[in-house]
Amino acid sequence: GENVEQHPSTLSVQEGDSAVIKCTYSDSASNYFPWYKQELGKGPQLIIDIRSNVGEKKDQRIAVTLNKTAKHFSLHITETQPEDSAVYFCAVSGNTGKLIFGQGTTLQVKP
Amino acid sequence: KAGVTQTPRYLIKTRGQQVTLSCSPISGHRSVSWYQQTPGQGLQFLFEYFSETQRNKGNFPGRFSGRQFSNSRSEMNVSTLELGDSALYLCASSPIDPEETQYFGPGTRLLVL
Repeated sequence: GENVEQHPSTLSVQEGDSAVIKCTYSDSASNYFPWYKQELGKGPQLIIDIRSNVGEKKDQRIAVTLNKTAKHFSLHITETQPEDSAVYFCAVSGNTGKLIFGQGTTLQVKP
Repeated sequence: KAGVTQTPRYLIKTRGQQVTLSCSPISGHRSVSWYQQTPGQGLQFLFEYFSETQRNKGNFPGRFSGRQFSNSRSEMNVSTLELGDSALYLCASSPIDPEETQYFGPGTRLLVL
């Protein structure tokens, strides 16, 4: 079945620095790639998503890039702030819409 | 618009009991998916409902079941609870297809003793 690998599992950066989280997937039929942010005690919150006909998408300080040939996609956060500290999950889905999640990355932004 | 709501938020049960969790999707959303989140297994898909029909199912035993009502509200039931069922159960809704953006609720934290 579909498998999603997410790296790193933990990431610590200084406020103002950039953070990059990478995911690789196995099913070439996957066509939807969302990223979620989960804060303590809350459900995952969608922060950005990309579909297979687009290579890059940006929303203010957040960007996602997709390489379908290599089957990997990445989340880029620039000018990190303490409130960016959370667990980030990548996910993939194909035609069924079932989301397969990566293992999560705990991002700590130090003031 | 109000977001996805889930009730109850916290639940404590003992082994062998059964439990029912409820999810109200975003107004106008017709697809509801359920996920289990544990520290060891991460986020795993349970099942998805649309128009009161289960369209997709994950790899969970038959003790896990669900249903959807005509107003798109959904419930999931776990029978004969095991210690390993302790988890955060998350509900997500999307307009029509789960391929569209899925919006998650806050989850129900279930502890099985």
